[in-house]
Amino acid sequence: TQLLEQSPQFLSIQEGENLTVYCNSSSVFSSLQWYRQEPGEGPVLLVTVVTGGEVKKLKRLTFQFGDARKDSSLHITAAQPGDTGLYLCAGAKGYSTLTFGKGTMLLVSP
Amino acid sequence: NAGVTQTPKFQVLKTGQSMTLQCAQDMNHNSMYWYRQDPGMGLRLIYYSASEGTTDKGEVPNGYNVSRLNKREFSLRLESAAPSQTSVYFCASDLGGREYFGPGTRLTVT
Repeated sequence: TQLLEQSPQFLSIQEGENLTVYCNSSSVFSSLQWYRQEPGEGPVLLVTVVTGGEVKKLKRLTFQFGDARKDSSLHITAAQPGDTGLYLCAGAKGYSTLTFGKGTMLLVSP
Repeated sequence: NAGVTQTPKFQVLKTGQSMTLQCAQDMNHNSMYWYRQDPGMGLRLIYYSASEGTTDKGEVPNGYNVSRLNKREFSLRLESAAPSQTSVYFCASDLGGREYFGPGTRLTVT
Protein backbone atom coordinates (compact mmCIF):
# COMPACT_ATOMS: atom_id res chain seq x y z
CA THR A 1 0.00 0.00 0.00
CA GLN A 2 1.43 3.33 -1.09
CA LEU A 3 0.57 5.74 1.73
CA LEU A 4 1.79 8.84 -0.10
CA GLU A 5 0.95 9.33 -3.76
CA GLN A 6 2.91 11.98 -5.65
CA SER A 7 1.80 13.45 -8.96
CA PRO A 8 2.82 13.91 -11.60
CA GLN A 9 5.61 11.32 -11.70
CA PHE A 10 7.53 13.35 -14.27
CA LEU A 11 7.30 16.98 -15.39
CA SER A 12 9.28 18.66 -18.15
CA ILE A 13 8.87 22.43 -18.55
CA GLN A 14 10.60 25.48 -19.96
CA GLU A 15 12.41 28.04 -17.86
CA GLY A 16 10.03 30.70 -16.58
CA GLU A 17 6.94 28.49 -16.36
CA ASN A 18 4.99 27.89 -13.16
CA LEU A 19 4.19 24.42 -11.86
CA THR A 20 2.51 22.59 -9.02
CA VAL A 21 3.24 19.09 -7.75
CA TYR A 22 1.07 17.17 -5.36
CA CYS A 23 1.42 14.75 -2.48
CA ASN A 24 -1.79 12.96 -1.45
CA SER A 25 -2.75 10.40 1.14
CA SER A 26 -5.78 8.87 2.79
CA SER A 27 -3.91 9.01 6.10
CA VAL A 28 -3.49 11.91 8.49
CA PHE A 29 0.08 12.96 9.21
CA SER A 30 1.38 14.99 12.14
CA SER A 31 3.80 16.72 9.77
CA LEU A 32 4.88 16.56 6.18
CA GLN A 33 8.27 17.29 4.69
CA TRP A 34 9.47 18.12 1.19
CA TYR A 35 12.94 17.14 0.00
CA ARG A 36 14.81 17.84 -3.22
CA GLN A 37 17.31 15.34 -4.57
CA GLU A 38 19.79 16.22 -7.30
CA PRO A 39 21.37 13.51 -9.46
CA GLY A 40 24.08 11.56 -7.62
CA GLU A 41 23.30 13.13 -4.25
CA GLY A 42 21.16 12.46 -1.22
CA PRO A 43 17.85 14.24 -0.56
CA VAL A 44 17.99 17.65 1.12
CA LEU A 45 15.16 18.95 3.26
CA LEU A 46 13.35 22.01 1.85
CA VAL A 47 10.56 22.52 4.37
CA THR A 48 8.45 20.95 7.11
CA VAL A 49 4.75 21.80 7.44
CA VAL A 50 2.97 20.95 10.66
CA THR A 51 -0.35 22.77 10.93
CA GLY A 52 -3.38 22.04 8.74
CA GLY A 53 -3.79 24.83 6.18
CA GLU A 54 -0.24 26.05 6.74
CA VAL A 55 1.50 27.85 3.89
CA LYS A 56 5.27 28.32 3.80
CA LYS A 57 7.28 30.22 1.23
CA LEU A 58 10.90 29.64 0.34
CA LYS A 59 11.83 32.23 -2.32
CA ARG A 60 9.98 31.02 -5.45
CA LEU A 61 8.68 27.85 -3.78
CA THR A 62 5.33 27.79 -1.95
CA PHE A 63 4.35 24.81 0.16
CA GLN A 64 0.85 24.14 1.47
CA PHE A 65 -0.40 21.55 3.94
CA GLY A 66 -4.02 20.53 3.49
CA ASP A 67 -6.57 21.48 6.13
CA ALA A 68 -7.07 17.82 7.06
CA ARG A 69 -3.29 17.15 7.09
CA LYS A 70 -3.65 14.43 4.46
CA ASP A 71 -2.16 16.20 1.47
CA SER A 72 0.31 18.85 0.42
CA SER A 73 1.34 20.80 -2.64
CA LEU A 74 4.48 22.48 -3.86
CA HIS A 75 4.18 25.40 -6.27
CA ILE A 76 7.20 26.80 -8.08
CA THR A 77 6.96 30.23 -9.70
CA ALA A 78 9.12 31.07 -12.71
CA ALA A 79 11.04 27.78 -12.68
CA GLN A 80 14.77 27.85 -13.35
CA PRO A 81 17.12 25.09 -14.57
CA GLY A 82 18.56 24.98 -11.05
CA ASP A 83 15.18 23.71 -9.83
CA THR A 84 15.71 20.46 -11.76
CA GLY A 85 15.65 17.44 -9.49
CA LEU A 86 13.54 14.80 -7.79
CA TYR A 87 11.02 16.24 -5.32
CA LEU A 88 10.06 13.88 -2.52
CA CYS A 89 7.38 14.31 0.11
CA ALA A 90 7.59 12.44 3.39
CA GLY A 91 4.98 12.12 6.11
CA ALA A 92 5.47 11.60 9.82
CA LYS A 93 3.00 10.15 12.29
CA GLY A 94 4.00 11.07 15.80
CA TYR A 95 7.42 9.63 16.65
CA SER A 96 7.37 6.91 13.99
CA THR A 97 9.71 6.78 11.02
CA LEU A 98 9.08 8.82 7.88
CA THR A 99 7.07 7.45 4.97
CA PHE A 100 8.30 8.69 1.60
CA GLY A 101 6.38 9.12 -1.63
CA LYS A 102 7.91 7.92 -4.89
CA GLY A 103 8.73 11.45 -6.00
CA THR A 104 8.16 13.85 -8.88
CA MET A 105 11.06 14.22 -11.32
CA LEU A 106 11.21 17.83 -12.54
CA LEU A 107 13.23 18.87 -15.57
CA VAL A 108 13.49 22.58 -16.33
CA SER A 109 15.00 23.37 -19.70
CA PRO A 110 16.64 26.74 -20.55
CA ASN B 1 31.59 19.42 10.01
CA ALA B 2 31.18 16.78 7.29
CA GLY B 3 27.56 15.84 8.08
CA VAL B 4 26.77 12.26 7.01
CA THR B 5 29.49 10.36 5.17
CA GLN B 6 29.19 7.01 3.41
CA THR B 7 31.77 4.60 2.01
CA PRO B 8 32.21 3.30 -0.58
CA LYS B 9 30.56 5.48 -3.26
CA PHE B 10 30.39 2.64 -5.77
CA GLN B 11 30.65 -1.13 -5.44
CA VAL B 12 30.18 -4.11 -7.74
CA LEU B 13 29.64 -7.52 -6.17
CA LYS B 14 29.08 -10.99 -7.52
CA THR B 15 26.06 -12.95 -6.31
CA GLY B 16 26.84 -14.55 -2.96
CA GLN B 17 29.59 -12.14 -1.93
CA SER B 18 29.33 -10.17 1.28
CA MET B 19 30.12 -6.57 2.08
CA THR B 20 29.56 -3.84 4.64
CA LEU B 21 28.44 -0.32 3.84
CA GLN B 22 29.80 2.23 6.27
CA CYS B 23 28.06 5.36 7.52
CA ALA B 24 29.16 8.00 10.00
CA GLN B 25 27.72 11.30 11.21
CA ASP B 26 29.42 14.04 13.17
CA MET B 27 26.30 15.95 14.26
CA ASN B 28 25.74 14.04 17.53
CA HIS B 29 22.35 12.78 16.33
CA ASN B 30 20.68 9.94 18.19
CA SER B 31 18.74 8.39 15.30
CA MET B 32 20.23 6.88 12.16
CA TYR B 33 18.66 5.16 9.17
CA TRP B 34 19.44 3.01 6.12
CA TYR B 35 17.31 3.38 3.00
CA ARG B 36 17.45 1.91 -0.46
CA GLN B 37 16.28 3.82 -3.52
CA ASP B 38 15.15 2.05 -6.66
CA PRO B 39 13.67 3.57 -9.84
CA GLY B 40 9.95 4.13 -9.43
CA MET B 41 9.99 2.89 -5.83
CA GLY B 42 11.05 5.94 -3.86
CA LEU B 43 13.00 5.61 -0.63
CA ARG B 44 12.34 2.46 1.38
CA LEU B 45 13.53 2.05 4.94
CA ILE B 46 15.72 -1.01 5.57
CA TYR B 47 16.71 -0.61 9.24
CA TYR B 48 16.95 2.19 11.72
CA SER B 49 18.52 2.90 15.08
CA ALA B 50 16.73 5.25 17.44
CA SER B 51 19.71 5.44 19.77
CA GLU B 52 23.10 3.87 20.39
CA GLY B 53 22.64 0.19 21.19
CA THR B 54 19.22 -0.24 19.54
CA THR B 55 18.20 -1.26 16.04
CA ASP B 56 14.83 -1.99 14.45
CA LYS B 57 13.57 -3.37 11.16
CA GLY B 58 12.07 -1.10 8.58
CA GLU B 59 9.96 -1.89 5.55
CA VAL B 60 12.47 -4.08 3.65
CA PRO B 61 14.95 -5.71 6.11
CA ASN B 62 15.32 -9.16 4.51
CA GLY B 63 18.87 -9.92 3.38
CA TYR B 64 20.45 -7.19 5.52
CA ASN B 65 21.92 -6.77 8.96
CA VAL B 66 23.00 -3.62 10.77
CA SER B 67 25.29 -2.60 13.58
CA ARG B 68 25.15 0.62 15.56
CA LEU B 69 28.80 0.62 16.52
CA ASN B 70 28.62 3.83 18.56
CA LYS B 71 26.68 7.07 18.38
CA ARG B 72 28.52 8.15 15.22
CA GLU B 73 28.54 4.98 13.14
CA PHE B 74 25.81 2.77 11.69
CA SER B 75 26.83 0.03 9.25
CA LEU B 76 24.76 -2.09 6.85
CA ARG B 77 25.88 -5.61 5.97
CA LEU B 78 24.88 -7.81 3.08
CA GLU B 79 25.85 -11.38 4.02
CA SER B 80 25.11 -12.99 0.66
CA ALA B 81 24.41 -10.42 -2.03
CA ALA B 82 21.65 -11.04 -4.58
CA PRO B 83 20.89 -9.20 -7.84
CA SER B 84 17.67 -7.91 -6.21
CA GLN B 85 19.89 -5.90 -3.86
CA THR B 86 21.22 -3.79 -6.74
CA SER B 87 20.24 -0.30 -5.64
CA VAL B 88 21.43 3.03 -4.32
CA TYR B 89 21.78 2.96 -0.54
CA PHE B 90 21.41 6.07 1.59
CA CYS B 91 22.27 6.55 5.21
CA ALA B 92 20.60 9.34 7.18
CA SER B 93 20.63 10.78 10.66
CA ASP B 94 17.88 12.69 12.38
CA LEU B 95 17.48 15.66 14.68
CA GLY B 96 14.00 16.77 15.69
CA GLY B 97 12.33 15.03 12.78
CA ARG B 98 14.66 16.49 10.16
CA GLU B 99 16.69 13.87 8.31
CA TYR B 100 20.16 14.54 6.93
CA PHE B 101 21.22 12.21 4.14
CA GLY B 102 24.61 11.01 3.03
CA PRO B 103 25.67 11.04 -0.63
CA GLY B 104 24.75 7.39 -1.21
CA THR B 105 26.43 4.14 -2.23
CA ARG B 106 25.62 2.77 -5.67
CA LEU B 107 25.73 -1.05 -5.44
CA THR B 108 25.51 -3.42 -8.37
CA VAL B 109 25.20 -7.19 -7.84
CA THR B 110 25.90 -9.31 -10.89
